[in-house]
Amino acid sequence: QQPVQSPQAVILREGEDAVINCSSSKALYSVHWYRQKHGEAPVFLMILLKGGEQKGHDKISASFNEKKQQSSLYLTASQLSYSGTYFCGTAIQGGSEKLVFGKGTKLTVNP
Amino acid sequence: NAGVTQTPKFQVLKTGQSMTLQCAQDMNHNSMYWYRQDPGMGLRLIYYSASEGTTDKGEVPNGYNVSRLNKREFSLRLESAAPSQTSVYFCASSYLGPRNTEAFFGQGTRLTVV
Repeated sequence: QQPVQSPQAVILREGEDAVINCSSSKALYSVHWYRQKHGEAPVFLMILLKGGEQKGHDKISASFNEKKQQSSLYLTASQLSYSGTYFCGTAIQGGSEKLVFGKGTKLTVNP
Repeated sequence: NAGVTQTPKFQVLKTGQSMTLQCAQDMNHNSMYWYRQDPGMGLRLIYYSASEGTTDKGEVPNGYNVSRLNKREFSLRLESAAPSQTSVYFCASSYLGPRNTEAFFGQGTRLTVV
């Protein structure tokens, strides 16, 4: 049930763009995105709901393809502060209230 | 507001010892979760509680028990610690379930079992 994230790691220079993908084998109610910096707790970025509603970050965008159970996180004009590990979390249709995360994508932004 | 508070922050246990990790939130959230984080494995769900009085197993529940003491508190117990339970443990909460509300995380408990 754990969603699959790709790539596992990305290295960028400041100002470059990146895309992180998340896919599930189950139908989803929603997809969450979180960022975790080293030694800290994960922090919420964005939630994408079934039906198209989206809540979250104003400088990072994301998409949710409900038919394919896939989501992508778009980081444009990356800043040094974007460095960290990004996790997608999924709420699977079927009645349970589990929030299950992928293994993460480590993003490094260099000057 | 304090948000989600976990205690202790660090703990070293000997194999076979027991302990309880405490978690409390002051945001009037209904759902609470326990995760463990190991290198390369992401965040794996141990147990969750959709509301006060209910708990359910996650992906890796073996070796753990939980108690949803009241709406604010959700504790995780290791009855007989094993080295494989060495990990960073995160508690999280959300106002409703994950279908439409985000989760807020505590600062984590770093547990070492020797």
